[in-house]
Amino acid sequence: GAGVSQTPSNKVTEKGKYVELRCDPISGHTALYWYRQSLGQGPEFLIYFQGTGAADDSGLPNDRFFAVRPEGSVSTLKIQRTERGDSAVYLCASSSFSGSVGEQFFGPGTRLTVL
Amino acid sequence: SQKIEQNSEALNIQEGKTATLTCNYTNYSPAYLQWYRQDPGRGPVFLLLIRENEKEKRKERLKVTFDTTLKQSLFHITASQPADSATYLCALGSENAGNNRKLIWGLGTSLAVNP
Repeated sequence: GAGVSQTPSNKVTEKGKYVELRCDPISGHTALYWYRQSLGQGPEFLIYFQGTGAADDSGLPNDRFFAVRPEGSVSTLKIQRTERGDSAVYLCASSSFSGSVGEQFFGPGTRLTVL
Repeated sequence: SQKIEQNSEALNIQEGKTATLTCNYTNYSPAYLQWYRQDPGRGPVFLLLIRENEKEKRKERLKVTFDTTLKQSLFHITASQPADSATYLCALGSENAGNNRKLIWGLGTSLAVNP
């Protein structure tokens, strides 16, 4: 596709359940980021992938959160034992690695609601 | 800890006027600063990037300044149009190891341009 896509667009789950959020970056983009955005807030960094490896996972709030990118393209953010405080919009962004700083291309986000 | 502040109040201006948004930061020395636009239900869209050694950048009706002494960036939209109504986010980045371009974000400023 032409842009970053994320599925599902909306996810409603119950407290304690497991969820997976998927991100399809722009083809050829080696860098992939996950952010989390609560209402009225700016995005909050979660994790950065360069290729297949998680180069920086310092933003993951706790060990219930995990992300993978096994083939260096699609990424999945996994949340175990969801809590109400996990409710937010989860944004994925990708960028090309050209050795210079560039823009990040964002998907539309997945709105997660934990009841 | 790092802190980024943007105009706390929503900005309402008349069509045709210049909108000026501010971004102030503390406890941080960014290598670059980016401005994004975000519409409801969508991910942020990149507008402009300015590096620490640049004072001003322009793109069409947009102008960004960056004062590393004041730790402040100003974002201007000249000849504003109702279509410019959105939330504008500033984001700061550093040249981290592994080409990690993770961004630290402000809360955003809501701009409404009235016809």
